[in-house]
Amino acid sequence: GAGVSQTPSNKVTEKGKYVELRCDPISGHTALYWYRQSLGQGPEFLIYFQGTGAADDSGLPNDRFFAVRPEGSVSTLKIQRTERGDSAVYLCASSRGVLEGETQYFGPGTRLLVL
Amino acid sequence: GIQVEQSPPDLILQEGANSTLRCNFSDSVNNLQWFHQNPWGQLINLFYIPSGTKQNGRLSATTVATERYSLLYISSSQTTDSGVYFCAVQSYNQGGKLIFGQGTELSVKP
Repeated sequence: GAGVSQTPSNKVTEKGKYVELRCDPISGHTALYWYRQSLGQGPEFLIYFQGTGAADDSGLPNDRFFAVRPEGSVSTLKIQRTERGDSAVYLCASSRGVLEGETQYFGPGTRLLVL
Repeated sequence: GIQVEQSPPDLILQEGANSTLRCNFSDSVNNLQWFHQNPWGQLINLFYIPSGTKQNGRLSATTVATERYSLLYISSSQTTDSGVYFCAVQSYNQGGKLIFGQGTELSVKP
C-alpha cells in the first residue's frame, strides 16, 4: 500500500502570506502527527490527532499555526501571516492505532521557504 | 520533559568499516525508533525497539530500557549508508509524540 504522502513537496511564499500544507496518512491509520524540522536539527513535535480530534497540540509555536483533520483521514496544517522563521521542513507521520507505542511512519515532507 | 542525546554527532567511515551509534534518554519509554534520513530528507524507519535486540541485514539495534540507552550497529558500511541517523522516543504519559535526538551524521567514503 501507499505510504504517507504530503503536498506540496516545496512551497515558497512571501512574509505575511497564508499557507496550507496537506498530509494523506497511510490508509487505516487512525493517528496522525505533524512535526517541523529546521536545518541541522531533529524533527520537533507540533500536534497529533486521534481520529478527528487534536489529542495534543502542545507543540504548536503560537496561534498562527492551526491544523485540522475533519474526516479522520487527510489533515491540513495552516499557517497564517507567515514569518521568515517559519521556514523549515514540515513532516507528517501516521500510526496504526491510538495506543502509545505504535510505530510512526513519515512522509517525505513539505519544504517551506518564507521570503 | 524527556531528553534524548545521541553520540557521536558526526562520524566518517571508510567503506567496509563497522560503527556503533548511541542514544541515551532520560526517562522510561514505551516506544523507541531508529530512523535514517536520506539526502532527500525522507525519514526511513530502521527499527521499532523499545527493548531487546533486533537485526535486519547489516543493521542491528539493542535497547537496554532499564539503563536508558539504545545502540545502533552498522556493519560492513556502504556509501549508501551515508546520511543522518535519528533516535526518537515516546515516554509514558506524554501522549503519542516522538521526541528526537539531534542525530548522528554518518559519511561513508569509498
